[in-house]
Amino acid sequence: GAVVSQHPSWVICKSGTSVKIECRSLDFQATTMFWYRQFPKQSLMLMATSNEGSKATYEQGVEKDKFLINHASLTLSTLTVTSAHPEDSSFYICSASPIDSGANVLTFGAGSRLTVL
Amino acid sequence: AQKITQTQPGMFVQEKEAVTLDCTYDTSDPSYGLFWYKQPSSGEMIFLIYQGSYDQQNATEGRYSLNFQKARKSANLVISASQLGDSAMYFCAMSFYNTDKLIFGTGTRLQVFP
Repeated sequence: GAVVSQHPSWVICKSGTSVKIECRSLDFQATTMFWYRQFPKQSLMLMATSNEGSKATYEQGVEKDKFLINHASLTLSTLTVTSAHPEDSSFYICSASPIDSGANVLTFGAGSRLTVL
Repeated sequence: AQKITQTQPGMFVQEKEAVTLDCTYDTSDPSYGLFWYKQPSSGEMIFLIYQGSYDQQNATEGRYSLNFQKARKSANLVISASQLGDSAMYFCAMSFYNTDKLIFGTGTRLQVFP
C-alpha cells in the first residue's frame, strides 16, 4: 500500500530558530500533499495544501510567512516553521494520495512532534 | 460551511462487545467522502473505513462498519468484537469539493476494558 514518510519524527529547538519537516511519498507520486497541525488532546486542523511546482494554498488564519511550504518534486513536500516560538509546539502531520487515485487511498505520515523551548 | 461533529468525548466498552461511535456532518456539497481514522498514543493516523456520498451500501472493513444515514447526515462507526488494542482516539473526517482535503471532528477516546 501507499506509504508516506515524515522526518524528523520529533524535534526540539530553541525559540527563534527554524525547523524543517519533510513529507515523502515512498512508493507513489503526489501532486498534492496536505499539512495538518494537532495541539495536545485536540483534533487535526488543516494548515495548507502543498502543490507540486506551485505555491501552497493556506487555510484562513495560517501565516504563510511563518509556515513555509515547498513541494519541489512529486514525492517530497517540506514544511519550514520559521522563527519558531513555544506556541508553535505541536504535532505536525502530512497526508498524500497517488495521482488520479480516489480519496479512499489517502495516507498519513506518522507525524512530527515539534517542541520549541 | 462544512462541519464534522463528534459528541462523545469518551466511550468505554468491554472486550468482545460492539461499540458505536457517533459522527454527524454538515455540508452543502453533494459530493463528499466520509472517513474514520484511529489514532493510538503514538500519533499516527490509521485509516479504518471510507464511505462516498453516492455509495448505496454501507461500507464495511473487517470488524469496522459505517452506518451511513444520508438524510440524517450521520456516519457512525461500529466496531464489532472489541479488542484491547482498539483503545485509541477515533476521528471522523470529511472530504469535499472533490479534493483530498479533510476536516476532522474533535474525536472520541475509546477505552476497551477486559
